[in-house]
Amino acid sequence: DGGITQSPKYLFRKEGQNVTLSCEQNLNHDAMYWYRQDPGQGLRLIYYSQIVNDFQKGDIAEGYSVSREKKESFPLTVTSAQKNPTAFYLCAIRQGPNTGELFFGEGSRLTVL
Amino acid sequence: QKEVEQDPGPLSVPEGAIVSLNCTYSNSAFQYFMWYRQYSRKGPELLMYTYSSGNKEDGRFTAQVDKSSKYISLFIRDSQPSDSATYLCAMRETGTASKLTFGTGTRLQVTL
Repeated sequence: DGGITQSPKYLFRKEGQNVTLSCEQNLNHDAMYWYRQDPGQGLRLIYYSQIVNDFQKGDIAEGYSVSREKKESFPLTVTSAQKNPTAFYLCAIRQGPNTGELFFGEGSRLTVL
Repeated sequence: QKEVEQDPGPLSVPEGAIVSLNCTYSNSAFQYFMWYRQYSRKGPELLMYTYSSGNKEDGRFTAQVDKSSKYISLFIRDSQPSDSATYLCAMRETGTASKLTFGTGTRLQVTL
C-alpha cells in the first residue's frame, strides 16, 4: 500500500557519530521534507527537496545533510556537528500541489547518549 | 515573539464536551491554514485545511479563520476519548513551496 516509510523508528547513538535516517515514499510525489520536533517547540524545517537532485536548506539546516538521488528516497544524515541531535524526526511529502498540505511519515526518534 | 502562538495546554475535558483550540499569528501573508492531529509517538495527520478566511466543517470538526484578527480555531463537537492527542496548527504563505510554519501544539485529553 502507498505511503511513507521512515526507518529506523528508534535509534540510539553515541555522541560524535553520524547517523542516517531513511525516508522512502511510493506515492510518486516530487516534493519531500524533513522536520524536527522537540517538546514545546513545534515542528521546524531542516531541509526540503522539490525535485530529484535538488534540495534547499530549511530554518535549522546546520549539522544536517541530505541527498535526493531518487524520487522515492530522501535520506537525512545527522552529523556530529549537530549540537543537540536528540529529537523526533519527521519526513513528509507535499500532498496537494496547489494547496501544499503535507503528509507525514511515522517519524524516527533519535537519542544521542 | 513566535510567528505562530498556540497554548500548549494540557486541556482536559469530559467526553461529549465541545472543545475549542486556537492559534494566533503575526504574519499577515499567511493564506493557507491547516490543523493536524498527532497521537503520541506518531506522525501528524491532516485534519482540516482552509484557504483564507471563513469556516469549514467536516463531521464533528469545524475550522475557522479570521484573518482580520490573525486568529484561527478548531472546534470539536461531542468530543471522544479517541480525540485525545496533540493538535498542531500550521500555516503558509502563497508560493512558499509548502514551507509550513507550525504552532507548538495543544495537548488535549478527553476523559470518560
